[in-house]
Amino acid sequence: SYELTQPPSVSVSPGQTARITCSGDALPKQYAYWYQQKPGQAPVLVIYKDSERPSGIPERFSGSNSGTTVTLTISGVQAEDEADYFCQSIDSSGTYYVFGTGTKVTV
Amino acid sequence: EVQLVESGGALVQPGGSLKLSCAASGFSFSVSTMHWVRQASGKGLEWVGHIRTKANSYETTYAASVKGRFTISRDDSKNTVYLQMNSLKTEDTAMYYCARVLFGLDVWGQGTTVTVSS
Repeated sequence: SYELTQPPSVSVSPGQTARITCSGDALPKQYAYWYQQKPGQAPVLVIYKDSERPSGIPERFSGSNSGTTVTLTISGVQAEDEADYFCQSIDSSGTYYVFGTGTKVTV
Repeated sequence: EVQLVESGGALVQPGGSLKLSCAASGFSFSVSTMHWVRQASGKGLEWVGHIRTKANSYETTYAASVKGRFTISRDDSKNTVYLQMNSLKTEDTAMYYCARVLFGLDVWGQGTTVTVSS
């Protein structure tokens, strides 16, 4: 089955830049999406279609795609950005959704 | 306000059945593809499946881990999507979320807890 691989954890100081990667073979062909999840809360979409930001999401959140790896970048990290982050995409057939393994961001 | 509210979670014995509901409000439910996603305690997100719209013949797709045991349905007159879970296993224990897909899964419910244990 298709898998998306993320680093388990990223640690960053306030004001610095956090970069979270997500690797998958189908990413050159399928968009990636990113979700933020804080303890006890439902996930929140922060990036869609690789690099688009939904309304209400701060500009410090950005996304990029470089082939089989996509990256979520949080510039000028704030304490409130401490959370789990999951990438999500679809397999090469365009049928099955899949989530990445998740990355815990510690500020 | 755009909102999804899940209900129906409970403690159920292995081999049992349970039906979850997700009531939608504040958007055009009937033209929205709806998903179910689950999350075991302390674990990552796992996609369960989705149901498309009437225009797409209410097509359903399921993850391999639940195919043949779970069924997703919807009632557009009630703005509600359902998840019927049969032959439940202990590994189905999780928080179950419903979500709307527009550009990504942009609206999520608060989740409902399913515990499968004897």
